[in-house]
Amino acid sequence: ETGVTQSPTHLIKTRGQQVTLRCSSQSGHNTVSWYQQALGQGPQFIFQYYREEENGRGNFPPRFSGLQFPNYSSELNVNALELDDSALYLCASSTQGGDGYTFGSGTRLTVV
Amino acid sequence: GENVEQHPSTLSVQEGDSAVIKCTYSDSASNYFPWYKQELGKRPQLIIDIRSNVGEKKDQRIAVTLNKTAKHFSLHITETQPEDSAVYFCAANQGNQGGKLIFGQGTELSVKP
Repeated sequence: ETGVTQSPTHLIKTRGQQVTLRCSSQSGHNTVSWYQQALGQGPQFIFQYYREEENGRGNFPPRFSGLQFPNYSSELNVNALELDDSALYLCASSTQGGDGYTFGSGTRLTVV
Repeated sequence: GENVEQHPSTLSVQEGDSAVIKCTYSDSASNYFPWYKQELGKRPQLIIDIRSNVGEKKDQRIAVTLNKTAKHFSLHITETQPEDSAVYFCAANQGNQGGKLIFGQGTELSVKP
């Protein structure tokens, strides 16, 4: 295994609900990046966390938010879920310089 | 904003033939270009990467070339095998940010036995 773990693996939520996805980083990595991958598309960068602070953000609305903890694990929170939020959510851990960039297995979110 | 274009979107080859996938990027500050293989329902797996101080890199049947002047890079797979069938993504980092990758749209490679 890669050492980057995500939970849960699958999730079904109703439109308007809130969801929290979790990611543990690989040993020795201090940076976590989150991506959204819609079906048939490439991953889209949501944001990155380094030293518990957001360090870069893609073109996603504020209802997408995150946290990073002192052990470098991270959470992705999405409020007011919309049907278009249905996707595979991937996290990747790395060093701050991007070395060892490794993806987790992802969380498949379905919004109904 | 920064953009990575990838072609073709689908590619079908006979086993043993070569496959080439091409990408262009827009951010002149990008200096890291990885390629990922993603099988159905699985995570993207890094197969090869190249940095801007190198023009070509090879790992067994896989090679990547980079032309920084033209802002394009290519993946070459020789002696393709059915297990090479998957979706391949190119990516480029944004500026000098090591952790933000901009991905291409993907190429679905099918290797027919």
